[in-house]
Amino acid sequence: AAGVIQSPRHLIKEKRETATLKCYPIPRHDTVYWYQQGPGQDPQFLISFYEKMQSDKGSIPDRFSAQQFSDYHSELNMSSLELGDSALYFCASSLRAVYGYTFGSGTRLTVV
Amino acid sequence: AQTVTQSQPEMSVQEAETVTLSCTYDTSENNYYLFWYKQPPSRQMILVIRQEAYKQQNATENRFSVNFQKAAKSFSLKISDSQLGDTAMYFCAFLLAGSSNTGKLIFGQGTTLQVKP
Repeated sequence: AAGVIQSPRHLIKEKRETATLKCYPIPRHDTVYWYQQGPGQDPQFLISFYEKMQSDKGSIPDRFSAQQFSDYHSELNMSSLELGDSALYFCASSLRAVYGYTFGSGTRLTVV
Repeated sequence: AQTVTQSQPEMSVQEAETVTLSCTYDTSENNYYLFWYKQPPSRQMILVIRQEAYKQQNATENRFSVNFQKAAKSFSLKISDSQLGDTAMYFCAFLLAGSSNTGKLIFGQGTTLQVKP
């Protein structure tokens, strides 16, 4: 079965650079979520989209933005990167959240 | 606001034995869902089991079962016949139910489980 696809798997950027993370949800899933997981920490909710519209927003810095496109894939754009942005970024999708999300394998972002 | 607490940062168990991971949560709502996710070293988050708060019967998925105590706001995970492949970080998660299908999961801090041969 198709899973949630994230790219790239690893990304190394320098401070103040910009990064773009991509997420391709499971076909027919209508909601996409972005989470940030720091080293040894629990995932923190950033933002979600339902049917290409932002549905909820968490602790996402103003330097970050995200959108969902007509083909349902989503992109997380991060500008003016800081060392503290180094983390694992998960994308997940769901058809109905009450049945649980399906997570992608994550993008490991390292800011140097 | 809802919170999820996992008070055991690390646990270990011998292969083939049983282990229980604890989770408590805080909410003033009555209708919600609880989940356990597993994150192995490969880092993929995998859904292990889910529980609907309005159901009294504890959920079971093969070797995984939960002890859901709604009044105590407790949701522990029991792993029977532990296997080496169960070695992972386990996250308890809470989802508030509502008219929207797009609710966000709130995670606990995680428990690292080591299964020893």
